[in-house]
Amino acid sequence: EIVLTQSPATLSLSPGERATLSCRASQSISGYLGWYQQKRGQAPRLLIYDASNRATGIPARFSGSGSGTDFTLTISILEPEDFAVYYCQQRSQWPLTFGQGTRLEIK
Amino acid sequence: EVQLVESGGGLVQPGGSLRLSCAASGFSFSSFWMHWVRQAPGKGLVWVSRIDSDGSYTNYADSVKGRFTISRDNAKNTVYLQMNSLRDEDTAVYYCARDLKVTNWIDSWGQGTLVTVSS
Repeated sequence: EIVLTQSPATLSLSPGERATLSCRASQSISGYLGWYQQKRGQAPRLLIYDASNRATGIPARFSGSGSGTDFTLTISILEPEDFAVYYCQQRSQWPLTFGQGTRLEIK
Repeated sequence: EVQLVESGGGLVQPGGSLRLSCAASGFSFSSFWMHWVRQAPGKGLVWVSRIDSDGSYTNYADSVKGRFTISRDNAKNTVYLQMNSLRDEDTAVYYCARDLKVTNWIDSWGQGTLVTVSS
């Protein structure tokens, strides 16, 4: 199965700053990577699919890039509501797999 | 508005069985693939299973293959997860989720139902 490794495990930033989250795949997954946001006590929410496409209703400050094995989620200007856990997911191969998550916390 | 409401969770002994249900509304259920994803307490997301729109094709995580069965009833707008031979490590919140237009991306999630496997 394809293993997704996210880094860093925890990212401490302040509102207004730029956040860069990484996801690395154990083998090439082309552009078949998505990103989800999960706030405490809530279900996840799809942010980005196919590496760079924003899901419906997702603000433009969220962007995704990458292909092959290395991918990035960027939040250009952090808003207070962006502090949450972020997961990447691949759909290149069965079984679908998620990364272990990056916790974005307020500094 | 898309709504997914899970039910059927609870406490079960190791080796026992449980059937989860997910009632869908607000969209054309029979046109969408559906997934189950689980999350152990304090841990990350783990994909469990997927079923296509008419129930012809299913996929499973290796950890549940042969023990769990996903099915659906399009007349009732409901997807199910039959869980047999439950283990301690199956303890988790189980989310029912909708696929984004035959893509294996998950664009809508229920609030989850907790399954606790313990003696």
